[in-house]
Amino acid sequence: GIQVEQSPPDLILQEGANSTLRCNFSDSVNNLQWFHQNPWGQLINLFYIPSGTKQNGRLSATTVATERYSLLYISSSQTTDSGVYFCAVERTSGTYKYIFGTGTRLKVLA
Amino acid sequence: NAGVTQTPKFRVLKTGQSMTLLCAQDMNHEYMYWYRQDPGMGLRLIHYSVGEGTTAKGEVPDGYNVSRLKKQNFLLGLESAAPSQTSVYFCASSLSDYYQYFGPGTRLLVL
Repeated sequence: GIQVEQSPPDLILQEGANSTLRCNFSDSVNNLQWFHQNPWGQLINLFYIPSGTKQNGRLSATTVATERYSLLYISSSQTTDSGVYFCAVERTSGTYKYIFGTGTRLKVLA
Repeated sequence: NAGVTQTPKFRVLKTGQSMTLLCAQDMNHEYMYWYRQDPGMGLRLIHYSVGEGTTAKGEVPDGYNVSRLKKQNFLLGLESAAPSQTSVYFCASSLSDYYQYFGPGTRLLVL
């Protein structure tokens, strides 16, 4: 099956710093999403981004489907950005079977 | 709107016991999903439903059954719990096959 790898596995930042999280996938995909899981376990959908670039406030994401990777940018990080960031890919559109990466654990220090 | 709710929040079972986890959504979403999350790992899809009365297998369906008798509810059943089913279970719903809204999770411990 398709492999989804995220890097780095762990990241510690000082508040105000910028960061880039990467998601590589081993085969072509039809859909890709980024999620944030806060320290209390709640999961929030950040982006639905099968290709191209999207921005939402301090967060932006870029997917280059032909090269099989996606990037999540966090600018001016805040302590509330702490948690785990997951990317998830759907191999074939309409199967609803998203495969999750193992995540990047981010800690932002005040 | 309450969004997606899960009942119970936490449960301890003995090996061989059965239980049902309830997921409810008030957003009139067609699609509902059950995932499990093991320590240090991403989510894995157990079963999903694309509408009332439908269910389908996900990535790790063995040992679980589901039902979607009403559009707003998606039940996950464990007929004979095993220690390997100790996990955090998340339910999600969506209007289409993307932008999933997640519940708060159910922490299950099987002894």
